[in-house]
Amino acid sequence: QKEVEQNSGPLSVPEGAIASLNCTYSDRGSQSFFWYRQYSGKSPELIMFIYSNGDKEDGRFTAQLNKASQYVSLLIRDSQPSDSATYLCAASGYSTLTFGKGTMLLVSP
Amino acid sequence: DAGVIQSPRHEVTEMGQEVTLRCKPISGHDYLFWYRQTMMRGLELLIYFNNNVPIDDSGMPEDRFSAKMPNASFSTLKIQPSEPRDSAVYFCASSIGFGGQPQHFGDGTRLSIL
Repeated sequence: QKEVEQNSGPLSVPEGAIASLNCTYSDRGSQSFFWYRQYSGKSPELIMFIYSNGDKEDGRFTAQLNKASQYVSLLIRDSQPSDSATYLCAASGYSTLTFGKGTMLLVSP
Repeated sequence: DAGVIQSPRHEVTEMGQEVTLRCKPISGHDYLFWYRQTMMRGLELLIYFNNNVPIDDSGMPEDRFSAKMPNASFSTLKIQPSEPRDSAVYFCASSIGFGGQPQHFGDGTRLSIL
């Protein structure tokens, strides 16, 4: 059974701080990893994907992948109240995406 | 470009009624996925299609659920008869290719079965 685990949170950070969201996956064959943001009552929105070990930066977002540890993380720098949402981690090998249940992030002004 | 389009956005119906959810994928995307999301179980894949052909329906919970994709621009998910435990948000997503390709989600249908 392929699993993606995330702490449900909520993770509370003050505005301007760095938010660190973490995810572990069970399938060593997973090759691709995705972070989706989901606002309450809305659909998941792709914000980052990463395929290789190391860091990938896009604006205020940095995705980090460590395949040896089967660990993926998302860092959000200069967190804003508008970043408050649930963040879903997803992993894929040669088949469909397996989603975690998400971590709720709350950024307080 | 238009994203994935789902209809209706909200559906409230009584137990035992037939429910039909509709999805138009992004043009050019050859994979279409149906998901169900609940607080308890998160996002669950129900079925996916490649080039209009159902590939894996192992996530469909019961025979009451069926899905079709008659052409590249349209898919339906049908529940007959519906039950209160089917209440959830149903998402359709599409992608170019498979495996490592990102999926793009529609706005979802919030289904309530009374």
